[in-house]
Amino acid sequence: DAGVIQSPRHEVTEMGQEVTLRCKPISGHDYLFWYRQTMMRGLELLIYFNNNVPIDDSGMPEDRFSAKMPNASFSTLKIQPSEPRDSAVYFCASSPRGGTGNTIYFGEGSWLTVV
Amino acid sequence: SQQGEEDPQALSIQEGENATMNCSYKTSINNLQWYRQNSGRGLVHLILIRSNEREKHSGRLRVTLDTSKKSSSLLITASRAADTASYFCATDGERGGADGLTFGKGTHLIIQP
Repeated sequence: DAGVIQSPRHEVTEMGQEVTLRCKPISGHDYLFWYRQTMMRGLELLIYFNNNVPIDDSGMPEDRFSAKMPNASFSTLKIQPSEPRDSAVYFCASSPRGGTGNTIYFGEGSWLTVV
Repeated sequence: SQQGEEDPQALSIQEGENATMNCSYKTSINNLQWYRQNSGRGLVHLILIRSNEREKHSGRLRVTLDTSKKSSSLLITASRAADTASYFCATDGERGGADGLTFGKGTHLIIQP
């Protein structure tokens, strides 16, 4: 299996621009997670989906952040407008089942720099 | 706030030595997992221990869980240079709803050849 696929791997953008991060989960996985990693705050769960439906978005920092999952094989995380403090590594992850007793499979991350 | 906190933040040992990392958490848990992250890569699952388990082994990894102290430890025996990475504990509770894991900030392990 190809694993969780994220794009772009690296993005540098100017403050105020729109950023769209993309994710293809592992086929057959019902759960998709978006995490953000920074040195200061570590790994934070932003939002997760079950069968394409958002279940918990309480980690989304502001209204500038939005996430969609139009089908089982694709999800996006959008930041509009972007700010320098959004600079981080954004990870998409998927899991075959719910519950914290299951393995979460991470993508390689999207490294975002907002200047 | 962090549910799991790893200790130490950084650890440097010689190849062949054992490495021990600790994780403390605040609220009761059902499961605790350990993940590894190589530099510039995503996290990879290592081992899961459930709240009714006290110890688990997987190859050179040994994980213990003490629910009375709300703590877990990860032991890597006979360390190798390839073990150089950051190690995270992850639990349920506090954030993440019923399905999302909450991660600590990690222990950065360096194995000196």
